[in-house]
Amino acid sequence: GQNIDQPTEMTATEGAIVQINCTYQTSGFNGLFWYQQHAGEAPTFLSYNVLDGLEEKGRFSSFLSRSKGYSYLLLKELQMKDSASYLCAPMDSNYQLIWGAGTKLIIKP
Amino acid sequence: DAMVIQNPRYQVTQFGKPVTLSCSQTLNHNVMYWYQQKSSQAPKLLFHYYDKDFNNEADTPDNFQSRRPNTSFCFLDIRSPGLGDAAMYLCATSRPGASSEQYFGPGTRLTVT
Repeated sequence: GQNIDQPTEMTATEGAIVQINCTYQTSGFNGLFWYQQHAGEAPTFLSYNVLDGLEEKGRFSSFLSRSKGYSYLLLKELQMKDSASYLCAPMDSNYQLIWGAGTKLIIKP
Repeated sequence: DAMVIQNPRYQVTQFGKPVTLSCSQTLNHNVMYWYQQKSSQAPKLLFHYYDKDFNNEADTPDNFQSRRPNTSFCFLDIRSPGLGDAAMYLCATSRPGASSEQYFGPGTRLTVT
């Protein structure tokens, strides 16, 4: 079956760094997406990885290891506005996103 | 600005009373999606279209139907809403292809009384 595993909730301090991990099992693989979703709002795209390694985009970076079925999202210089859920979504062989339930990130001053 | 628009943002319907949610896009994307998302859960794909080619997910209840009359518009019909259908309904669009991100509308929050 297809499965996504990410922590339900994490807490971090403003200005710090946090790493949100995601492990996945899918039928085939066509890359992995990370989305940010603020409470009551729609998801917005953060990153896409299809090859192994780290992709950096400003304060956010995303890492992929296809052999391990593992990805992480790294958020630096945390700001209060980063309080949101972060959804890991690998794409299977049918080009369908398999969504995780998300990690709720709470930022404290 | 190019975007995905959903109307209404909040919809209240009575148990068993049919309701239609609408989505429009100005991105001219081939692919459109309808998702259902309940609190603290993953978005659940209900339907998707590649142009007018309709794809019904295997576990989408028969109570849900969809129409895409043209590239820009897509509708979600709930024939007989139950209390369990209360959720956020998200419309998204994308270009075809693996690396294409999905662009989401703001969602319609459905309440069933």
